[in-house]
Amino acid sequence: AQKVTQAQTEISVVEKEDVTLDCVYETRDTTYYLFWYKQPPSGELVFLIRRNSFDEQNEISGRYSWNFQKSTSSFNFTITASQVVDSAVYFCALSEADDTGTASKLTFGTGTRLQVTL
Amino acid sequence: NAGVTQTPKFQVLKTGQSMTLQCAQDMNHEYMSWYRQDPGMGLRLIHYSVGAGITDQGEVPNGYNVSRSTTEDFPLRLLSAAPSQTSVYFCASIPRQGPYEQYFGPGTRLTVT
Repeated sequence: AQKVTQAQTEISVVEKEDVTLDCVYETRDTTYYLFWYKQPPSGELVFLIRRNSFDEQNEISGRYSWNFQKSTSSFNFTITASQVVDSAVYFCALSEADDTGTASKLTFGTGTRLQVTL
Repeated sequence: NAGVTQTPKFQVLKTGQSMTLQCAQDMNHEYMSWYRQDPGMGLRLIHYSVGAGITDQGEVPNGYNVSRSTTEDFPLRLLSAAPSQTSVYFCASIPRQGPYEQYFGPGTRLTVT
């Protein structure tokens, strides 16, 4: 069975601080996908990034960066110079690839609530 | 494109009542799913469909029925609502054959009293 653990329930930082959200996953599949979603106070789910199991390159998108390490089954998310608008719940998710290569069924972590204050 | 739409946005039911949560997508995605979000538990998969006429159970299917008669629509039915079904429900769609992300609807907040 697949499992995603986000051990940090809530994190509070002051604006401009860097913050890392941890994600550890478990799967027996060799082909899988990892995702991060953001859920702002308005409630919708906003896709941030997708990574497949064969691509361990780290990725940077503006102030966001992701560190994928298969050796430790981790897919951590760092926000550099955090802003108040980053305040949200962040979910890490894992999906097997079905026989068509589709990430058809997501297993979510319990989320990390990030509070950024002035 | 409207993307994934869900109706209603809010609903209050009494125990034992039935209702259908509607989900529609206009992106011609083959796959559609229903998730529920409960405090402290993240999102959990209820049912999913890989195409019209094909549905399967997810992690928490009990108390819910689905059908998929068209590519566009994937309604979720609660036959006899229970307080344990109080939750926020999200519908999602994804194109087939590729490492794509799931596109989520805005959610339906359901309260069962």
